[in-house]
Amino acid sequence: KAGVTQTPRYLIKTRGQQVTLSCSPISGHRSVSWYQQTPGQGLQFLFEYFSETQRNKGNFPGRFSGRQFSNSRSEMNVSTLELGDSALYLCASSRSTSTDTQYFGPGTRLTVL
Amino acid sequence: QKEVEQDPGPLSVPEGAIVSLNCTYSNSAFQYFMWYRQYSRKGPELLMYTYSSGNKEDGRFTAQVDKSSKYISLFIRDSQPSDSATYLCAMKGGDYGNNRLAFGKGNQVVVIP
Repeated sequence: KAGVTQTPRYLIKTRGQQVTLSCSPISGHRSVSWYQQTPGQGLQFLFEYFSETQRNKGNFPGRFSGRQFSNSRSEMNVSTLELGDSALYLCASSRSTSTDTQYFGPGTRLTVL
Repeated sequence: QKEVEQDPGPLSVPEGAIVSLNCTYSNSAFQYFMWYRQYSRKGPELLMYTYSSGNKEDGRFTAQVDKSSKYISLFIRDSQPSDSATYLCAMKGGDYGNNRLAFGKGNQVVVIP
């Protein structure tokens, strides 16, 4: 069974630009969550999508947004990039409920110059 | 006070030693407890998944949860150089609901041959 895939793996942008990251969950998984990982803050929850609806949201500004498609693939978008947005963005998928295990993708490393 | 505390200090041990890692938490509603392993430039990989209090063993790995003390542990027996990685504790339930994971900062473990 293929794991969670994320594209692109590496991205370099400049301040003020916007970026879109993509995540394809494990086949059969309907929940996709996004996390930001930085050396200072560790892993922080961004949001979760289930059946094309945002089910949970973390404490990030509105510049961070996401969506989920009918095939469960998800995208997250960051607008007006800031230097502090440089991080590893991780996507995790699970079947559906809170009791299910979450499996992480390899992440997209975003560098903002 | 952060919801999940994990002393982020690095840990170096000789090959064959027992590695002991732990996390404390403040949210008594957490019900599901996990340990993830993360190699450099990779996404977190699930190692252990435990519901409520108790012990769980899987090969060289043992996870312990003590909900009365709000304390979880991971033990790695007969450590190998391939165990060198960052270990993250994670938990969910209660206020977060759904699939929102709260993570510790992680421990970098180095096993010296």
